[in-house]
Amino acid sequence: AQSVTQLDSQVPVFEEAPVELRCNYSSSVSVYLFWYVQYPNQGLQLLLKYLSGSTLVKGINGFEAEFNKSQTSFHLRKPSVHISDTAEYFCAVSFRSNTGKLIFGQGTTLQVKP
Amino acid sequence: SQTIHQWPATLVQPVGSPLSLECTVEGTSNPNLYWYRQAAGRGLQLLFYSVGIGQISSEVPQNLSASRPQDRQFILSSKKLLLSDSGFYLCAWNQAGRYEQYFGPGTRLTVT
Repeated sequence: AQSVTQLDSQVPVFEEAPVELRCNYSSSVSVYLFWYVQYPNQGLQLLLKYLSGSTLVKGINGFEAEFNKSQTSFHLRKPSVHISDTAEYFCAVSFRSNTGKLIFGQGTTLQVKP
Repeated sequence: SQTIHQWPATLVQPVGSPLSLECTVEGTSNPNLYWYRQAAGRGLQLLFYSVGIGQISSEVPQNLSASRPQDRQFILSSKKLLLSDSGFYLCAWNQAGRYEQYFGPGTRLTVT
């Protein structure tokens, strides 16, 4: 079965420290991968996407993610976080169906402390 | 550029009352449209999606329904709300043949 797992429900980190949010997926077919951010009481905003090409993708707000096909992972990283990065982060996978459907992980709450 | 609107932003409804949430997309044509629900502290649950006018696919059987009366309009409805229908409802779209989805601002529904 196709699925997406975000391994940490909450990640506390101090301001200016690096952070990694982990995402693994299960699929027997090629996938497209996405990270979204959600601030309280708002919709989701696309942070970055992997469709093809370089496995290291850069997104908005200084975030980047690396696609690892052998480990079926797509971890999100930022070298130095800010208080304003406190939010919920969702990993999503498209299994390239013509419906355009995404499968979302359960989310990781990033808590940046001063 | 494309924009997506949802209304209302917040809604408080009694159990057993009807529901109608609206989503519209501007600046594109023939988009795929999606309704998600996000319960408190939980992830996103895909409720319905549509690849064209009048074409609705249901992901989870429940007392909600969806309709797409116009190309860029997607409506989520219920005849009788349940307490369990409370949550944050998000509409999203993507262009046919593309895979990243773009989300609206959401509607916070509280059923009392």
